[in-house]
Amino acid sequence: QVQLVESGGGVVQPGRSLRLSCAASGFTFSSHPMHWVRQAPGKGLEWLTVISYDGNNQYYADSVRGRFTISRDNPTNTVYLEMSSLRAEDTAVYYCAREWLTNVHYFYGMDVWGQGTTVTVSS
Amino acid sequence: DIVMTQSPDSLAVSLGERATINCKSSQSVLHSSNNKNYLAWYQQRPGQPPKLLIYWASTRESGVPDRFSGSGSGTDFTLTISSLQAEDVAVYYCQQYYVTPPLTFGGGTSVEIK
Repeated sequence: QVQLVESGGGVVQPGRSLRLSCAASGFTFSSHPMHWVRQAPGKGLEWLTVISYDGNNQYYADSVRGRFTISRDNPTNTVYLEMSSLRAEDTAVYYCAREWLTNVHYFYGMDVWGQGTTVTVSS
Repeated sequence: DIVMTQSPDSLAVSLGERATINCKSSQSVLHSSNNKNYLAWYQQRPGQPPKLLIYWASTRESGVPDRFSGSGSGTDFTLTISSLQAEDVAVYYCQQYYVTPPLTFGGGTSVEIK
């Protein structure tokens, strides 16, 4: 079945780095752009970044641009989120999600979501 | 960026009654080329990831019960649950895709049982 499984979350000190992974299965990964969305405790959804289906284009929210980097490895069906200079306000559940469009360089929304991985930034 | 504003923040509805959630965009999300509204709705049950419910403002995703309906155009949209069931307790979010990136969500509306 179509599935996304995030990993890599944990407790990290402010200013440090962390890399999240998202393993996809059950669909043609290389055809779909992939997003990362986060949710701070008790808060709403915040879109962070998207990478095009071929990995050639990446876009970021202002809140993470310059600190977070999205990448993908199509042969292994994995998307990554490299997070650096982490701050307390980055504490959240991080979801990877599949873009419902395929093989285009624009983005509409997410039709498949992982269960999320929790990142806590604390000293 | 397009700002999405939802109301109310929360509502309590009796089982079997109607729930209505509103979403307003800071600019029109109606595309003149195809007359489609670039708006989606998501449901997030407690402890679960979000789930796509509706896209193009009124098209239900496969498997979504027909008690869920979306309406509206331009800048004002509504998600209606015609007869609230216990499993509908959740937070509901609207999201625009008229101008992306960024994809922007509303702040969410929490629906609970009265």
